Amino acid sequence: GESVGLHLPTLSVQEGDNSIINCAYSNSASDYFIWYKQESGKGPQFIIDIRSNMDKRQGQRVTVLLNKTVKHLSLQIAATQPGDSAVYFCAESDTGRRALTFGSGTRLQVQP
Amino acid sequence: SAVISQKPSRDICQRGTSLTIQCQVDSQVTMMFWYRQQPGQSLTLIATANQGSEATYESGFVIDKFPISRPNLTFSTLTVSNMSPEDSSIYLCSVEARDSYEQYFGPGTRLTVT
Repeated sequence: GESVGLHLPTLSVQEGDNSIINCAYSNSASDYFIWYKQESGKGPQFIIDIRSNMDKRQGQRVTVLLNKTVKHLSLQIAATQPGDSAVYFCAESDTGRRALTFGSGTRLQVQP
Repeated sequence: SAVISQKPSRDICQRGTSLTIQCQVDSQVTMMFWYRQQPGQSLTLIATANQGSEATYESGFVIDKFPISRPNLTFSTLTVSNMSPEDSSIYLCSVEARDSYEQYFGPGTRLTVT
């Protein structure tokens, strides 16, 4: 399929290690954040979200951390697997406007 | 989550022509959005399409170039008009879940303009 993000920053990790993907956002009015995973040739897949009244939220093998003071968002993936290889995007919105503003993306490569 | 389909999945078009992309959702949703993803880039919002009202376009996108229809709560179309090679992109629709702010995306339409 078509490659997405040919010139994106790349994070390379060993299978089984934990991955941390970071994102800086710019709009201090944003109060809702989502992480997406996009595999080659596919649309973005919802991973996890967090509202601004929280600073941490956990899902299955994933954790999102939000630091509103420095406008920083991170996605932690535990025990990274080859199937986690993809491009990851953070997105922000305010719950009034609802449309998403996407970050530039990070390519995660998992080495077996 | 909603199941979203898009047609066509890909197309190669000649400059100067127009292409209409369809987005179908398996449940009724209020908020639908159209995004563009240029090669090697992130996603950029084109417009918000709500049923019963005119689409709201983002800066840099105009209705004459990207007319949108939203005839009901499960369907929308985006037309890319008078295409040029710069319009070569992936076009994606998304919907907001009925009971949350979560947004889900369709598989995208990969457009190449020659």
